[in-house]
Amino acid sequence: SYELTQPPSVSVAPGQTARISCGGNSIRKNTVHWYQQKPGQAPVLVVHDDRDRPSGIPERFSGSNSGNTATLTISRVEAGDEADYYCQVWDTRSDHYVFGTGTKVTVL
Amino acid sequence: QITLKESGPTLVKPTQTLTLTCAFSGFSLPTSRVAVAWIRQPPGKALEWLALIYWDDDKRYNPSLSSRLSITKDSSGNQVVLTMTNMDPVDSATYYCAHRGGIYSDPFDYWGQGTLVTVSS
Repeated sequence: SYELTQPPSVSVAPGQTARISCGGNSIRKNTVHWYQQKPGQAPVLVVHDDRDRPSGIPERFSGSNSGNTATLTISRVEAGDEADYYCQVWDTRSDHYVFGTGTKVTVL
Repeated sequence: QITLKESGPTLVKPTQTLTLTCAFSGFSLPTSRVAVAWIRQPPGKALEWLALIYWDDDKRYNPSLSSRLSITKDSSGNQVVLTMTNMDPVDSATYYCAHRGGIYSDPFDYWGQGTLVTVSS
């Protein structure tokens, strides 16, 4: 089955840039979505279709997808960005949905 | 405005069958050509996709759990039900239902608040 691997944690100082990777075999062939989840809350979509932002999501959130790695980038990190982040794809070969292992972003 | 809300028991015993209902508004499953999914999250762990039902009643299941899962929609088109048999303490989790758009690769763009299910004798 298709697997998505993320680093368990990323730490970043306020105002700096956080980059969260999502590794998967030839992930560039899949469309990647990213979700933010704060404690006790449901996940919220922050980037879809590799690099697009839903309405209401700040421009500080951006995405890319190339080779075997997709990346969520958070620019000018704020304290409110502290959360768990998950990547997700629809695996075309199996017709199943897959979530990444999740990354906890800590703002120092 | 699309909203979803999960309901069901908060406590089930091992070996029992869990039945969860997702009631939604803002779209109708048969007419909107979209899909509804169930996703769970054990405490402190990652999200795990469980099942999905399409507007045309086609269904997909997580292969690791497929023998225990069933997803159905009611005739009104505004509720989706998930059943999971032979519950075990490792199935303790928050269970979410989510809306997926009209394309297979679309994201889960709307989520319910989730319902916490504990499996314990």
